[in-house]
Amino acid sequence: QSVLTQPPSVSAAPGQKVTISCSGSSSNIGKNYVSWYHQLPGTAPKLLIYDNDKRPSGIPDRFSGSKSGTSATLGITGLQTGDEADYYCGTWDSSLSVVLFGGGTKLTVL
Amino acid sequence: EVQLLESGGGLVQPGGSLRLSCAASGFTFSDYTMSWVRQAPGKGLEWVSAIGGSGGTTYYTDSVKGRFTMSRDNSKNTLYLQMNSLRAEDTAVYYCARGWIQLWLFDYWGQGTLVTVSS
Repeated sequence: QSVLTQPPSVSAAPGQKVTISCSGSSSNIGKNYVSWYHQLPGTAPKLLIYDNDKRPSGIPDRFSGSKSGTSATLGITGLQTGDEADYYCGTWDSSLSVVLFGGGTKLTVL
Repeated sequence: EVQLLESGGGLVQPGGSLRLSCAASGFTFSDYTMSWVRQAPGKGLEWVSAIGGSGGTTYYTDSVKGRFTMSRDNSKNTLYLQMNSLRAEDTAVYYCARGWIQLWLFDYWGQGTLVTVSS
């Protein structure tokens, strides 16, 4: 059971929008930046969002991030079948001095 | 181009040892914190350990403290993970990842190496 809580799965139709939540506590999300990764089957994770809401070079603006208090949210608009993947949030826990990942959310584009 | 290439995975018996390596290229290796992140079959990501650029500071998740040792050789641009007293629950794909801006932010990942602990 992860310290950062994500829904196990979300789904939406192509072209629609979906959000994935990541809930933590005051010692992790409440104090530190959140990043988001996606992982296509059989491949390594890839950075999507950093510092809560910034996109690395090459990541389309269909992907967005936000943070409020002890929760963070990843948004994906204009869903494509290629977006089907597992999505993970990550941050640092200042009390435990460990890197945390959420349990992961499987996105299905119906 | 940044590249991270892990090696050293394989099948090992419970209680055995294994050393993973991660060869880095395409960037100034000593400038970056590095981490190992693992993923058990069908499971999510789990951070294992991190090391500062000079190698002087290390961090570990509780489940591997006292059993795993992370190190680096900046002259060889290589990262290591010495794993002792291996358990079945250590079975996973082990990724090395480069830390960027913050220790917990990973901008580049290797392709992973599979460690299987089984008798």
